[in-house]
Amino acid sequence: QKEVEQNSGPLSVPEGAIASLNCTYSDRVSQSFFWYRQYSGKSPELIMSIYSNGDKEDGRFTAQLNKASQYVSLLIRDSQPSDSATYLCAGASGGSYIPTFGRGTSLIVHP
Amino acid sequence: GAGVSQSPSNKVTEKGKDVELRCDPISGHTALYWYRQRLGQGLEFLIYFQGNSAPDKSGLPSDRFSAERTGESVSTLTIQRTQQEDSAVYLCASSISSTSRGGEQFFGPGTRLTVL
Repeated sequence: QKEVEQNSGPLSVPEGAIASLNCTYSDRVSQSFFWYRQYSGKSPELIMSIYSNGDKEDGRFTAQLNKASQYVSLLIRDSQPSDSATYLCAGASGGSYIPTFGRGTSLIVHP
Repeated sequence: GAGVSQSPSNKVTEKGKDVELRCDPISGHTALYWYRQRLGQGLEFLIYFQGNSAPDKSGLPSDRFSAERTGESVSTLTIQRTQQEDSAVYLCASSISSTSRGGEQFFGPGTRLTVL
């Protein structure tokens, strides 16, 4: 099993809908989690970090972590065409400075 | 404040030549990472520097790849005898020194390397 897995997509949602991006992980990367957004031709940009079970909200973004089920998700409310990008999930273990990145999920928000 | 900067932004070279890529991290960020991203692919970890500690070179794909960093300043990634499969975007990222927050990375704009 890969350490961090994401569906490559694309995930297509209409403008204004909730986009739900999911990521599963192995025990090896089970402490802290990060969501990055990468526009085509650009470098990744940190959106959210989450360290404990439950939800963390920041504007239109909500990160959800469920350590029992080993998944982390990112919800984007009121999706906009400008949210169209690849979303990378990353996880790190407690003793490592090096996060493991998933391959990313492509999100398309159509008007 | 200034973000992570990288130079050059684009590099075209001939197979067999050596190239040197530069990264200037955010001031105060003791951790520095190099990644490679091939077209349409995910991030491939190459090397990690933390202050004056020995770097973690576990991601370097071959001995043609090397990197240096002096203290908490600029880093250079060197690829010797470049091959066509080295063509990719090379990304540098920096973060504060923390096992948990090390994943909160700030990326530079990358260097697009094309090996002809």
